[in-house]
Amino acid sequence: GAVVSQHPSWVICKSGTSVKIECRSLDFQATTMFWYRQFPKQSLMLMATSNEGSKATYEQGVEKDKFLINHASLTLSTLTVTSAHPEDSSFYICSARVSGWRETQYFGPGTRLLVL
Amino acid sequence: GQNIDQPTEMTATEGAIVQINCTYQTSGFNGLFWYQQHAGEAPTFLSYNVLDGLEEKGRFSSFLSRSKGYSYLLLKELQMKDSASYLCAVMDSNYQLIWGAGTKLIIKP
Repeated sequence: GAVVSQHPSWVICKSGTSVKIECRSLDFQATTMFWYRQFPKQSLMLMATSNEGSKATYEQGVEKDKFLINHASLTLSTLTVTSAHPEDSSFYICSARVSGWRETQYFGPGTRLLVL
Repeated sequence: GQNIDQPTEMTATEGAIVQINCTYQTSGFNGLFWYQQHAGEAPTFLSYNVLDGLEEKGRFSSFLSRSKGYSYLLLKELQMKDSASYLCAVMDSNYQLIWGAGTKLIIKP
């Protein structure tokens, strides 16, 4: 299947700092990427849909000024958590959709964020 | 509204067979996906069904009935490494994935 990478895999930061997470599709071009958040023992929660060259579409309840998404190229999307607080500590996972008849989403390995 | 239902947790024995069911009600249908997620890891793609019937892939098979809004994932010859959460997701008419809460599968020796 298609390969999606995410960097970094772990982040520990102080409250009030900003953290950038990168998501790359390694062997295909992804016009659409997705950002999810998952709290322990809970299901995936879609945060936003990112389309290359246009503004991201945020899900209800997700602050677009706090979670900045940039999809600068067909292989890279970034999520920046601005002024992170302890409640932002979570597992952040990106996925990239392979266009075609299956429209399958492939997930990156995820980024664990711990805000102290 | 859109809804995906799957059991919260199931237990099975190593070497046995287990069937994880998923029922859905969505606005439109462009396919149903099954993903496996081990604890602490991101989901990995298992299968995709868009036509009715059974798709077999090694020890895993996935079945779809669009008229019934129903799918199941069948796991044969269970191994301890199959202990994970299994996520059912339906792609709606806008090509957005609607996710179930996942079924935690516990394999006992």
